[in-house]
Amino acid sequence: NAGVTQTPKFRVLKTGQSMTLLCAQDMNHEYMYWYRQDPGMGLRLIHYSVGEGTTAKGEVPDGYNVSRLKKQNFLLGLESAAPSQTSVYFCASSYPLGNRDKNIQYFGAGTRLSVL
Amino acid sequence: GNSVTQMEGPVTLSEEAFLTINCTYTATGYPSLFWYVQYPGEGLQLLLKATKADDKGSNKGFEATYRKETTSFHLEKGSVQVSDSAVYFCALRTNFGNEKLTFGTGTRLTIIP
Repeated sequence: NAGVTQTPKFRVLKTGQSMTLLCAQDMNHEYMYWYRQDPGMGLRLIHYSVGEGTTAKGEVPDGYNVSRLKKQNFLLGLESAAPSQTSVYFCASSYPLGNRDKNIQYFGAGTRLSVL
Repeated sequence: GNSVTQMEGPVTLSEEAFLTINCTYTATGYPSLFWYVQYPGEGLQLLLKATKADDKGSNKGFEATYRKETTSFHLEKGSVQVSDSAVYFCALRTNFGNEKLTFGTGTRLTIIP
């Protein structure tokens, strides 16, 4: 059981370039999330999705777009990368809030992105 | 809004020492509380949780008690091991609205033999 898989693991971009981070989960979770982790700031929510075809903004959505065309995949896009987007990005997934016993977020191993 | 405050790190302890990592929170209503652990090079994984006041979460020798009166969820372990070296995050989730977890800034723990 792979859980939550993120690709790529590392990436270096130049300012203005674009890229897409892929998150895939095999646990049939409804909810998926993208966070960024920066030193001294913990994890901050970028966007999230409560089901296939839906997306919503989190705390820090500017400069990012997301898509959830299939239930198992959640894509994070950077259209024009900026140095401020240098960070470690984590994807997570969970069951809905109503399923309280199972409402635990499971995280991928992260993508380390540097924007020069 | 919701917020989580953790003790500043890094924390360095000798093996078999007693560990406490403080966590206090501010939230609307009665949140669920979590401790996540991040081992080097890995993603976060749930260590323990508590969903209501006076609940005690426990796992791998770690414990934390949901204290509503002091809005705290301190992490403790009686005897730490080198393998406990990691970054520990306290987090909360309100039980209504969206699914957002609010994280503390993390505490890096290093255990020396």
